[in-house]
Amino acid sequence: AQRVTQPEKLLSVFKGAPVELKCNYSYSGSPELFWYVQYSRQRLQLLLRHISRESIKGFTADLNKGETSFHLKKPFAQEEDSAMYYCALRRADRGSTLGRLYFGRGTQLTVWP
Amino acid sequence: ETGVTQSPTHLIKTRGQQVTLRCSSQSGHNTVSWYQQALGQGPQFIFQYYREEENGRGNFPPRFSGLQFPNYSSELNVNALELDDSALYLCASSGGQGMYGYTFGSGTRLTVV
Repeated sequence: AQRVTQPEKLLSVFKGAPVELKCNYSYSGSPELFWYVQYSRQRLQLLLRHISRESIKGFTADLNKGETSFHLKKPFAQEEDSAMYYCALRRADRGSTLGRLYFGRGTQLTVWP
Repeated sequence: ETGVTQSPTHLIKTRGQQVTLRCSSQSGHNTVSWYQQALGQGPQFIFQYYREEENGRGNFPPRFSGLQFPNYSSELNVNALELDDSALYLCASSGGQGMYGYTFGSGTRLTVV
């Protein structure tokens, strides 16, 4: 079975401080992992996907298969980063290339001025 | 390029009633997924439609059903509503069979009383 765990429900940091949002997963196959973000009164939107190995809004996330983790990091947090962040794992259905997302419960990040 | 639109935005129903939620997928996307998000939880996969056929289902009873139309829009139907069905229902569309992420709608907030 697959599972995505975000251990912190709430995380607060001051502006300019580094931030790390933790995500651990359990999955027997080859994982495809994503970070989604939801700003206040906005819809859920894709932030990062691990296959792209990209940096968006200063955030990066590295897949660590040994530790089964996909932590989201930013060296200098900004007030506009305050939002709910969800880690998600995409699992392809058997016999199909289509997949479904499994989400963690989310971490509410607050960046204080 | 239009995004994913859902209607209605809010809905109040009585226990035992039936409800239909609607979703228009993003232009060019042929896959639609539905998720249920209870308060304080991450979205949970209900089912997915690809080319008008159900392709993957989560752990939801048969009273949750859906349709996808030739224009790739979709409906979620819930029969015999229960109080626990109160949640935010999210529709997500994707191209590339989901490998590149999903575009989410703003959701329908369903309250069952």
